[in-house]
Amino acid sequence: VMTQTPLSLSVTPGQPASISCKSSQSLLHSDGKTLLSWYLQKPGQPPQLLIYELSNRFSGVPDRFSGSGSGTDFTLKISRVEAEDVGVYYCMQSIQVPPVTFGQGTRLEIK
Amino acid sequence: QVQVVQSGAEVKKPGASLKVSCKAPGYTFTKQYMHWVRQAPGQGLEWVGLISPGGGSAANEQKFQGRVTMTRDTSTNTFYMELSSLRAEDTAVYYCAIDVVYWGQGTLVTVSS
Repeated sequence: VMTQTPLSLSVTPGQPASISCKSSQSLLHSDGKTLLSWYLQKPGQPPQLLIYELSNRFSGVPDRFSGSGSGTDFTLKISRVEAEDVGVYYCMQSIQVPPVTFGQGTRLEIK
Repeated sequence: QVQVVQSGAEVKKPGASLKVSCKAPGYTFTKQYMHWVRQAPGQGLEWVGLISPGGGSAANEQKFQGRVTMTRDTSTNTFYMELSSLRAEDTAVYYCAIDVVYWGQGTLVTVSS
């Protein structure tokens, strides 16, 4: 089970934002990788990968996005929120497949 | 840029079956799995299942056991997800996604009498 908090947040442009994701099991693989990813789903679009293997930014993802954590507790941080960051953020575990499991989602809106 | 293209929207009656197709023109599958994920209206993401690149191995979320079939036509490099015994609760946008990295545009499926 993946549990995200908060479920929604409202942020002023230029301010930081942080989303937490807790897993019911360790996501540390025997190869040393942590199999936790973060996605952003913008309105009307499919999800897009932001972060994979805990802290690696996917191609083209701005460096204001960062992932951290260990074991069962993880955080996605946006250093300075921009208007284009609006949408729903999901964490996802892929250490135990099947199944892949997603968090409930965190809705980010701009103040 | 990897493009993933899905079939169009469908309306189905309860009890019917659904078959969604997914292609990645020009993409060469080596070790990548094709995942299927769905999203009910206003809800979060729900993983449905996955199929291996060669199509020989598949796994699905337990709740879909016995109702979902995932296949690959290697001659056309097209992946399919079939869901049977449809009910209203299956109304959702269905996505395919290569390794849960490259996503299709989604296929809206409406189940209604």
